[in-house]
Amino acid sequence: DAKTTQPNSMESNEEEPVHLPCNHSTISGTDYIHWYRQLPSQGPEYVIHGLTSNVNNRMASLAIAEDRKSSTLILHRATLRDAAVYYCILRDHVYNFNKFYFGSGTKLNVKP
Amino acid sequence: DAGVIQSPRHEVTEMGQEVTLRCKPISGHDYLFWYRQTMMRGLELLIYFNNNVPIDDSGMPEDRFSAKMPNASFSTLKIQPSEPRDSAVYFCASTPVRGAYTGELFFGEGSRLTVL
Repeated sequence: DAKTTQPNSMESNEEEPVHLPCNHSTISGTDYIHWYRQLPSQGPEYVIHGLTSNVNNRMASLAIAEDRKSSTLILHRATLRDAAVYYCILRDHVYNFNKFYFGSGTKLNVKP
Repeated sequence: DAGVIQSPRHEVTEMGQEVTLRCKPISGHDYLFWYRQTMMRGLELLIYFNNNVPIDDSGMPEDRFSAKMPNASFSTLKIQPSEPRDSAVYFCASTPVRGAYTGELFFGEGSRLTVL
């Protein structure tokens, strides 16, 4: 199974952009890249996903490297509510259709 | 709309006792997942159902764990007998058919289990 590597923690100032990196050098052609976040004492929450092209939604943007070996989740203006653990997950679309392997994630601290 | 509802939110029990965790998925969702989260192992998928049928239970730790989904609106995860190492937060998640392609799972708030 392809694995992801994320920094253990990052810090940001409120109302500034945040770039959360994820390395996935063994990604296969059928792997989708998903991002989830988990606020304190809550269940994980879907943020965004993509395959090859950059993606935007109301929560964030996902920038995928051309070789797909890395990706970056971009929060355009961090708020205190964005303090959470962010998980970068690869999902084999074909064989492990619904298996999500959550790693240890990146704990984001947002300073006021 | 109500999200995924789990009960109990907190459970403290003694080793050897039976524990039953309950989950009500979002109405209309076809897939249901049970996850376990610990500090040591992070989030692990235990089992998932499609249209009430268990599809993959390879993550279930051992025979002490069992999960059922008698109908589309209810699922249980049972541990019998419970052991201290089962202490964790257990999450239930659901998704509609579309979500199986987008990967968008909807998680409940979890059941925190402590086995003394």
